[in-house]
Formats: sequence, structure tokens, C-alpha cells
Amino acid sequence: GAGVSQSPSNKVTEKGKDVELRCDPISGHTALYWYRQSLGQGLEFLIYFQGNSAPDKSGLPSDRFSAERTGGSVSTLTIQRTQQEDSAVYLCASSLGILAETQYFGPGTRLLVL
Amino acid sequence: DQQVKQNSPSLSVQEGRISILNCDYTNSMFDYFLWYKKYPAEGPTFLISISSIKDKNEDGRFTVFLNKSAKHLSLHIVPSQPGDSAVYFCAAVPGAQKLVFGQGTRLTINP
Repeated sequence: GAGVSQSPSNKVTEKGKDVELRCDPISGHTALYWYRQSLGQGLEFLIYFQGNSAPDKSGLPSDRFSAERTGGSVSTLTIQRTQQEDSAVYLCASSLGILAETQYFGPGTRLLVL
Repeated sequence: DQQVKQNSPSLSVQEGRISILNCDYTNSMFDYFLWYKKYPAEGPTFLISISSIKDKNEDGRFTVFLNKSAKHLSLHIVPSQPGDSAVYFCAAVPGAQKLVFGQGTRLTINP
């Protein structure tokens, strides 16, 4: 497809279970970002991958959160031992250029932890 | 701590009138600002940006104003159209390419 895609679109899980969220960036985009939006909050930066450089993990809220990007393309965000406060919309974006406005966002994954 | 704040969670405007969305920030080191628009079940899309060396940037019906001394920016939409109904996010760039977003304002344009 032409845009950033994310799967699943919705995920309901039980507290304590692990979840994996997937992001397929736009082909050729070297940068990939994960954000999340909790209820009533703005979009919160989580992690940033740029090419082969070490990722910027400064936004990950705890060590239960991890992400990897395989082959410089698809990325997976993993949340271990989910908690109710992890419930949010998780958004992925990718970009080709160095300007912030060139970030193209996917539709997001809505995660609900019961 | 919320470094970028949009204090109005919602705004309702009559079609054809001006919509004004406001955003405040706390970090004087922010030097680049963006507005994004988000429809339900879609990701945010870039709308307009402004650098701190300017106080105004215009693109068609959309104008962004920046008041650095007040650490305040605003997005003006005129005339407002029903298709403008969406959630609008203000964002700042503190460095590199990370974006710091506000909470968003839901704009509803009434026919």
C-alpha cells in the first residue's frame, strides 16, 4: 500500500498478557517512530529508529516496552505483562526526510487491557 | 509534565466563520512548531508549520501565528468548512525529529 499500515487495528487483552503491535512503514522510508495516545493526553513519543543507527528509546515508559525494526522496514512494538494503564492508541509513523512534517502516520492500534 | 498544552478540548464554530485553535508551550528551546489534523480511525496528517524566526505562516485558509514571548501559537481557519471537523494537534520539535504533542482540540463545524 501507499501509506503506513498497522495491525491489528484493535486489540483487547487481559492484564499480564504480552502483546505485539506491528507497523509497516512506507517503502523506502528510513525513519520510523512509535507514539501512543492515552485517553485525554496528547501523542507521546516512545521510540525512534533511523536507518542502521541505534534506536532512540528515551520515550519508552518502562522496561516492559520494547521495539525492534527488522531489515530496516517492519517494526514490532512489544508490551510485556500488560497493565491497564497501557490502554491507549499506539501510532506508528515513518519519514524519509529530515524535516518533522514529513512524518506520515498510520491509523493506529487501539489497545484495551482489561 | 505537559510541555505543549491545548487547553480547549473542543470547539464548535459555524460554517463560514473563523476557527481559532490555541496552543501554549513551556520550553523556550522549542524552535519549530507544527499543526496536525486527525480524522477518526486515521493517523494525524501534517497541516502547517512555523519556525521560531517567523511570527506568521499562511497556507490557503490556514494561518499559524507564533508569539514567542507568550510561548503561544494559534491556528486560524477561515472560512471554516464542514470538512474541517477533526481533532487538531499542536506539536513542537525539541530537537532531532521527535515531536512533542498537545492533547488535541476537537473542532466541529456546524452547517
